[in-house]
Amino acid sequence: AQTVTQSQPEMSVQEAETVTLSCTYDTSESNYYLFWYKQPPSRQMILVIRQEAYKQQNATENRFSVNFQKAAKSFSLKISDSQLGDTAMYFCAFMRGSGAGSYQLTFGKGTKLSVIP
Amino acid sequence: SQTIHQWPATLVQPVGSPLSLECTVEGTSNPNLYWYRQAAGRGLQLLFYSVGIGQISSEVPQNLSASRPQDRQFILSSKKLLLSDSGFYLCAWSLGSLTYEQYFGPGTRLTVT
Repeated sequence: AQTVTQSQPEMSVQEAETVTLSCTYDTSESNYYLFWYKQPPSRQMILVIRQEAYKQQNATENRFSVNFQKAAKSFSLKISDSQLGDTAMYFCAFMRGSGAGSYQLTFGKGTKLSVIP
Repeated sequence: SQTIHQWPATLVQPVGSPLSLECTVEGTSNPNLYWYRQAAGRGLQLLFYSVGIGQISSEVPQNLSASRPQDRQFILSSKKLLLSDSGFYLCAWSLGSLTYEQYFGPGTRLTVT
């Protein structure tokens, strides 16, 4: 079974600064996908960014980028120029790419990020 | 564009009462559908998923059941609620092999008293 670990329960960052959220995972699969989801106080889960395991290039979406280290099974999220609207819970998630159990997300326990004005 | 709806938004039910939560997706056909539960201060736990009408897979044996009577409708039910069923229930959809992203609905907060 796959596991996803987020070792930082809470973090804070000053507005306009950069913050990195950590995520590690454990799997024996070679074909998989990784995601970061954001859950603001409204509680709706919002997809932030995705990474395919077969791609060496780190994914980027505007101010959000990842550092994907496949050998180390690490998938961190960097938020640049932090904004007050980035205040939320952030969840790292894993998905097998094929076979039984594919399409099913396994989530970490989340990191609560607070952006301080 | 695709949208996903869930209702009700909040629900307070006594122990032993039945439950029915509904999720519908608009703007797509034959989506994969998922029910997740989020207990207070925890991540999401997959409860059920469906790849087609009448096809339901259960991830966690429990007091809940799911049904998919129509292509874009997914229902979460219980005959008798337990206190431990309290939580935040999220429905999600994806397009299976076409894309692996799952998109979530606004959720239902269920409190069992």
